[in-house]
Amino acid sequence: AQSVSQHNHHVILSEAASLELGCNYSYGGTVNLFWYVQYPGQHLQLLLKYFSGDPLVKGIKGFEAEFIKSKFSFNLRKPSVQWSDTAEYFCALRGNSGYALNFGKGTSLLVTP
Amino acid sequence: NAGVTQTPKFQVLKTGQSMTLQCAQDMNHNSMYWYRQDPGMGLRLIYYSASEGTTDKGEVPNGYNVSRLNKREFSLRLESAAPSQTSVYFCASRNRGERELFFGEGSRLTVL
Repeated sequence: AQSVSQHNHHVILSEAASLELGCNYSYGGTVNLFWYVQYPGQHLQLLLKYFSGDPLVKGIKGFEAEFIKSKFSFNLRKPSVQWSDTAEYFCALRGNSGYALNFGKGTSLLVTP
Repeated sequence: NAGVTQTPKFQVLKTGQSMTLQCAQDMNHNSMYWYRQDPGMGLRLIYYSASEGTTDKGEVPNGYNVSRLNKREFSLRLESAAPSQTSVYFCASRNRGERELFFGEGSRLTVL
């Protein structure tokens, strides 16, 4: 079985603060990992993805994530958040034999001016 | 480019009523999915269709049926709606050989 765990359910930051959202997964085989973002009232959009190769992946809007295989983690980071980053963030996993993505429960980020 | 289109965007039902959520994609993708999103629960897979003509249950299929009408369209039916089915429903699609999903804008369903 595969699963995704996001540790922080609600995060509140001030603008310009640094962000790190935790994501751990459970799966014994090769994984594809994703971070999606959902802005208020909108659909999910892909922030970044990891399939193989360089474990540090860069996405849109200054986000990056690091795949650490030994820790089964794929944490999302941004050095300096903006008010417009207020959104819900979902980590997702696809195992190598799966058709669908397994999502974590999401982290709600509020960035205050 | 429309991508994944869902209808309706909002719907209110009474317990026991039936309805169908429609989803269409214009990207020629092979696989299509229905997820539901509930506060604190993230997205949970209801059903998916790996290719035209096939459908499979996901994590939470009870109370739902699906039809993969053709390559473009994948509908989700609630035969007898229950308050527990109040949720936001997302349709998604994926192309063969690709690994990311593309999502529609969601359908907010309230069952009274």
